[in-house]
Amino acid sequence: DAGITQSPRHKVTETGTPVTLRCHQTENHRYMYWYRQDPGHGLRLIHYSYGVKDTDKGEVSDGYSVSRSKTEDFLLTLESATSSQTSVYFCAISEPGITDTQYFGPGTRLTVL
Amino acid sequence: GENVEQHPSTLSVQEGDSAVIKCTYSDSASNYFPWYKQELGKGPQLIIDIRSNVGEKKDQRIAVTLNKTAKHFSLHITETQPEDSAVYFCAAKLGAGSYQLTFGKGTKLSVIP
Repeated sequence: DAGITQSPRHKVTETGTPVTLRCHQTENHRYMYWYRQDPGHGLRLIHYSYGVKDTDKGEVSDGYSVSRSKTEDFLLTLESATSSQTSVYFCAISEPGITDTQYFGPGTRLTVL
Repeated sequence: GENVEQHPSTLSVQEGDSAVIKCTYSDSASNYFPWYKQELGKGPQLIIDIRSNVGEKKDQRIAVTLNKTAKHFSLHITETQPEDSAVYFCAAKLGAGSYQLTFGKGTKLSVIP
């Protein structure tokens, strides 16, 4: 497996509370991505980063923010969690110019009650 | 943007038989097509990929074919084994300047011993 870890791996929270998910990589890849996976929808891109402090929105970015202060860390924040954000969240990394392949982390299962 | 359709959504085969999963994409500028396997509770793992300048690629029991004219690509698994049971995702990447993948909704493959 590519050197990607996600924390926490499981989280249960209540509606309206802030939540931050962390993705950490040891591969020194420039690009990092956050996806959510829901039954019937496959994998949908939330936000991505193409360098430290460089981020952009994906297909389903509403209600989410991201930050990247170091190459190895990419944080996903739900400012005020809603039940519709109950999902499995995956981080991925890639290094364009060397390969187009994206490598995925193990995922975080988030439940918003 | 790109749109990827994947069929079938579920597939059951007898051990030893072949399995075929098909995907179509909408944007003729797409130039990279990976396939991922996802086992229960894990992140997607790349199993094979193909670029738009190649028509077919094989890796042991797995092969991918690409028809650029028809804008579809397929995953072929021969001599299926119970450990091939998983969810498979296809994806497509737009051409130069884009590093985002658009995923199909997945195919749940069950290999019956």
